[in-house]
Amino acid sequence: GAGVSQTPSNKVTEKGKYVELRCDPISGHTALYWYRQSLGQGPEFLIYFQGTGAADDSGLPNDRFFAVRPEGSVSTLKIQRTERGDSAVYLCASSSGQLNTEAFFGQGTRLTVV
Amino acid sequence: GENVEQHPSTLSVQEGDSAVIKCTYSDSASNYFPWYKQELGKGPQLIIDIRSNVGEKKDQRIAVTLNKTAKHFSLHITETQPEDSAVYFCAASPGYSSASKIIFGSGTRLSIRP
Repeated sequence: GAGVSQTPSNKVTEKGKYVELRCDPISGHTALYWYRQSLGQGPEFLIYFQGTGAADDSGLPNDRFFAVRPEGSVSTLKIQRTERGDSAVYLCASSSGQLNTEAFFGQGTRLTVV
Repeated sequence: GENVEQHPSTLSVQEGDSAVIKCTYSDSASNYFPWYKQELGKGPQLIIDIRSNVGEKKDQRIAVTLNKTAKHFSLHITETQPEDSAVYFCAASPGYSSASKIIFGSGTRLSIRP
């Protein structure tokens, strides 16, 4: 596709359940980022990939959060034992991977934990 | 790690007037400073960026300035129009040899009064 695609656009889950959020980056982009955005806040960095490997996962809040990018393209953010505080918009972005180049964002997945 | 602070959190200006948003960053290694615009229900979109070897950059009605000594950078929008109403985020990235994580400010909600 022409842009970054995130699915689903909305996800409602019960507290304690497991969820997966998917990101399809722009074709050919080697860098992929995950962010979390709470209402009225800026995007909070979670993790970024260069190719298949997590180059920096320092933003993952705890071990309930995990992300993979097995073939260097699509990425999945996985959240175990969801808590109400995990409710937010999860944003994915991708870039060419070269130094200081634009990151393109998807529309986000709104996660609501009830 | 990098910390980006942004002011003001809300800004209301008369149509046709100028708007200025200011940011500071903490990590002297940061060398890439993008500005994003986010409209309701959408992901952030890059509007302009500046790299540390440049002090000022202009694109039509938008300009950014960077003061690396003071670790300040600012966004200036002139001749504001109703479509400029949105949330604006500054960001900083300490890229070394390739793309790296981008740290965002908390955002400025800009409203243009007709």
